[in-house]
Amino acid sequence: SQTIHQWPATLVQPVGSPLSLECTVEGTSNPNLYWYRQAAGRGLQLLFYSVGIGQISSEVPQNLSASRPQDRQFILSSKKLLLSDSGFYLCAWSQTGGVWNTIYFGEGSWLTVV
Amino acid sequence: QKEVEQNSGPLSVPEGAIASLNCTYSDRGSQSFFWYRQYSGKSPELIMSIYSNGDKEDGRFTAQLNKASQYVSLLIRDSQPSDSATYLCAGIYNAGNNRKLIWGLGTSLAVNP
Repeated sequence: SQTIHQWPATLVQPVGSPLSLECTVEGTSNPNLYWYRQAAGRGLQLLFYSVGIGQISSEVPQNLSASRPQDRQFILSSKKLLLSDSGFYLCAWSQTGGVWNTIYFGEGSWLTVV
Repeated sequence: QKEVEQNSGPLSVPEGAIASLNCTYSDRGSQSFFWYRQYSGKSPELIMSIYSNGDKEDGRFTAQLNKASQYVSLLIRDSQPSDSATYLCAGIYNAGNNRKLIWGLGTSLAVNP
């Protein structure tokens, strides 16, 4: 069966510091991968999605970036965090063959920027 | 602007009752819909997907899709306190060669013992 893991689960970072969140999927090949953010009281906001290694689509211009160095690894980064970057970050995957097949989420990472 | 709308709630039902959660969507071309459950502080987990008009049942859950009226609903029979969570509705719409998954803001459900 397929599993998805992301880490760290929680982190508190000062404004202007860098960020790296990592996500890996097991049990499948060439998955579609996604990064979402869920801010307090707001819905799920798609940040990035990837249909293959090195292929990243950005949905929202901001100070975040994503990379997919391996087939089942997805990384969310920032060089300098802003207060507004606080939120619940979710990595997700779906089967290949069509973006927006059923999406399965990782455990999530709580980011507080102070 | 393509939208998926849900009543934020909270919807409060007694234990053992049927909880009815509703979702409307603006894009008549939307074809696929998903219901997710999200416990406080946790990530969303898939309950059901539905693609065709009518009902789809899975255990205590029934999803209903009415494309003519552009709504999707989720019924939870014999509601349990453990069903207390936020329920997210999502739909896929097609924009030319681009497909998008649009999320509702969720409905909070409280099942009272």
